[in-house]
Amino acid sequence: ETGVTQSPTHLIKTRGQQVTLRCSSQSGHNTVSWYQQALGQGPQFIFQYYREEENGRGNFPPRFSGLQFPNYSSELNVNALELDDSALYLCASSTAGTVTDTQYFGPGTRLTVL
Amino acid sequence: AQKVTQAQTEISVVEKEDVTLDCVYETRDTTYYLFWYKQPPSGELVFLIRRNSFDEQNEISGRYSWNFQKSTSSFNFTITASQVVDSAVYFCALSEARGGATNKLIFGTGTLLAVQP
Repeated sequence: ETGVTQSPTHLIKTRGQQVTLRCSSQSGHNTVSWYQQALGQGPQFIFQYYREEENGRGNFPPRFSGLQFPNYSSELNVNALELDDSALYLCASSTAGTVTDTQYFGPGTRLTVL
Repeated sequence: AQKVTQAQTEISVVEKEDVTLDCVYETRDTTYYLFWYKQPPSGELVFLIRRNSFDEQNEISGRYSWNFQKSTSSFNFTITASQVVDSAVYFCALSEARGGATNKLIFGTGTLLAVQP
């Protein structure tokens, strides 16, 4: 196990609602990245937080937003949910957001939008 | 443009067979890292290996081995004497220095390995 935890495990929402997913990073890690994995696909980078600041963003609309807290845990918020937002959301932590650092993943939150 | 291709969607083998998972990558950067992750049915991505672009030495870890060839932009993964517990989806991923401040990973679409008893 990596020490990265995510909550909740599963979530069911309806279209138009808002959702908040949570992630606790591994001890000693100050960087958290979020990925979306649709069924049968590889994970897609959403954004990264380093020391409470957004440190890079993938090709996702602004209704995907996030936060990082002083203890380096993080939240992913998605507003105005769409059916295509149904996916496994993975959080990964690393010691710093540089190319040399390996990312360690949590178990994910499976979001279903009806 | 950066891209990772895993052409094998699914592979099925019988226990104790050797199996190779292919990974081909594209990047304009000279400094980059390549990764393999394993995703069992539980969903968590498990880190297996990281190689940087300046180290083309092959690596062996138990039944696992990796072959990195810059000339063909490939980073293939071989499991020797496969076991049922190896059944999972395997992802190859790329991280570029050109990506700026982030170490974002660019994943392939994964290869589902099924090892039959």
